[in-house]
Formats: sequence, C-alpha cells, structure tokens
Amino acid sequence: QKEVEQDPGPLSVPEGAIVSLNCTYSNSAFQYFMWYRQYSRKGPELLMYTYSSGNKEDGRFTAQVDKSSKYISLFIRDSQPSDSATYLCAIRAYSGGGADGLTFGKGTHLIIQP
Amino acid sequence: DAGVIQSPRHEVTEMGQEVTLRCKPISGHNSLFWYRQTMMRGLELLIYFNNNVPIDDSGMPEDRFSAKMPNASFSTLKIQPSEPRDSAVYFCASSQIQGRYTFGSGTRLTVV
Repeated sequence: QKEVEQDPGPLSVPEGAIVSLNCTYSNSAFQYFMWYRQYSRKGPELLMYTYSSGNKEDGRFTAQVDKSSKYISLFIRDSQPSDSATYLCAIRAYSGGGADGLTFGKGTHLIIQP
Repeated sequence: DAGVIQSPRHEVTEMGQEVTLRCKPISGHNSLFWYRQTMMRGLELLIYFNNNVPIDDSGMPEDRFSAKMPNASFSTLKIQPSEPRDSAVYFCASSQIQGRYTFGSGTRLTVV
C-alpha cells in the first residue's frame, strides 16, 4: 500500500459548485498535512497547512483532517475557473529537528467549467 | 523576492550525456529539496539538504545521480550518464519552516 493515496481524476464540475478533494494515508506517524496547488507547467504552491484533526478555513478553502480514519480533505466553495489545477496532498511525520522531505500524493486534476 | 530559481527551464540531451540542473533557493531558507515529477510516479523526493549538508539521499535512484550544495545560495543535481527513463520534470524547493515549501518552476528534462 502506498503511503499516500489520491484519486488522479480528472474531476470536472461547473463553476460555483462545492469541490471535495481527498487523500488517504497509511502511516499513523504522519502529523502534518498540507495541500499544494499546481498549475500547468508550474511548480506546486502551498495552499493549506495544518497539523491537527478538525477543520481549518482560509477564504473559500477548508482543509479537514480525520486522523482516526487517516483521511484528509480539501473543500473549495464557490469554485472558479481559476481554481482549475492539480491539487496535491502532502504529509510528513514529526521529526523534532530540521526539515524533512514531504510525501506527496499523485495529485487530483480539477477542471472548473465556466 | 525572486523566489526559487531553476535553470535551465528545458533541457534536451542525448542518452549518455551529462546533465546538470541548477537551483538558487530563497535567501534565508535553510533547507533545500530536489524532487522529480512524472505522470506515473508523481512527485518523488530525491535528496534534501539542511544548512548545506545532505541529510537524506535515499530517493536518489542510482549512482548516476549526484547532488551538491556548495553554499547556501546554490545547488546542483547532476545525472551522468543520462538515460531516456530519466526524462521528467525536476523541481527544486526551499524552506525555512517545515512543510512550507517554495518550489521553483522546474526543469523539464528530455533524454533521447
């Protein structure tokens, strides 16, 4: 079983819809959870960062973590065509020291239809 | 802030040739990461440095791959000799806070 599983899509929804993107992970040592957004031919950019179970909201974006189920979600409200991109979940364990490499999901390709 | 700068943006080379990818991290970031992205395998961590010191190179696929960070403002990833299966987009990222990476725009490598 891969450490992080993510449906590659594509996921196509109409403008204004609520989008739900999900990842599952297998290692209970993972404690930090991130969502990155990647536009075509660009590098990923950090969208959301959280380290606890529950919800974290930032504008139209909400990140949700359920550590008991090893399940993380990203919700996008009032989706816009500019949200069309690949969304990658990323996770890491607590190392107590210097930075560690992140483990990324393969990404979900999202298309918002005008 | 110019962000993480990678060069070249595109590289096409023949099998067997040496390839050198370059990265300039954001000033003040003390961690640097090299990733490779393909459709099949997604983003894979190759190697990372903390304070210019290589910490974990277990993701480097073979001895043909090597990376250096001679100072805080420059890193290279070298492939010698290159093979067609090395074709991918190679990203460099830097970080000051764990998990909060800033990625460069990547180098698209094609080995023919």
